[in-house]
Amino acid sequence: DQQVKQNSPSLSVQEGRISILNCDYTNSMFDYFLWYKKYPAEGPTFLISISSIKDKNEDGRFTVFLNKSAKHLSLHIVPSQPGDSAVYFCAASGGYSSASKIIFGSGTRLSIRP
Amino acid sequence: NAGVTQTPKFQVLKTGQSMTLQCAQDMNHEYMSWYRQDPGMGLRLIHYSVGAGITDQGEVPNGYNVSRSTTEDFPLRLLSAAPSQTSVYFCASTIGGGASEQYFGPGTRLTVT
Repeated sequence: DQQVKQNSPSLSVQEGRISILNCDYTNSMFDYFLWYKKYPAEGPTFLISISSIKDKNEDGRFTVFLNKSAKHLSLHIVPSQPGDSAVYFCAASGGYSSASKIIFGSGTRLSIRP
Repeated sequence: NAGVTQTPKFQVLKTGQSMTLQCAQDMNHEYMSWYRQDPGMGLRLIHYSVGAGITDQGEVPNGYNVSRSTTEDFPLRLLSAAPSQTSVYFCASTIGGGASEQYFGPGTRLTVT
């Protein structure tokens, strides 16, 4: 049973428009959520995170929204740029008490078209 | 800083062979983890360590062993390779627990025939 789900395997967005990547989770014990970006033949790199005590976190072009009642989070990228083309993983953890146990979603491949 | 390094980058094994995937980090991170990435499955945790001498199992530990004798190194051993272990393996380290960003190595692509 997947505890973290990214139901869209792929997404294509025009350059300059908004990209919205979605993630759902089932475990209400998760209290910290992270997004990672992955280019081909490289390891994932951290993008942005959010604690469950917040409903929004913004870093430049990237904003993550958390809806705890719906167990849903989303990553907004505005404006989308060609370098944003990558696979995006959503991840969830139980916070510091859970050591390094982080559960990842299956990823969404984002393609930015000219 | 080199960050997290992994060797080898590519490896082909025959069924039943054993090997060790190496991982090292120079950031003095206490926490280290091994993941495997398979198509449509995302990243799944194999084993992790919260410090030298301490390891624990993740979601998919069967067929793999780990040890952590130093803060810097966290090798992953495949005891008897099987085709189901064909995957891309990533090592990661972090300064804290689940709330901290992880730093990933470049990965090892393993094929078991």
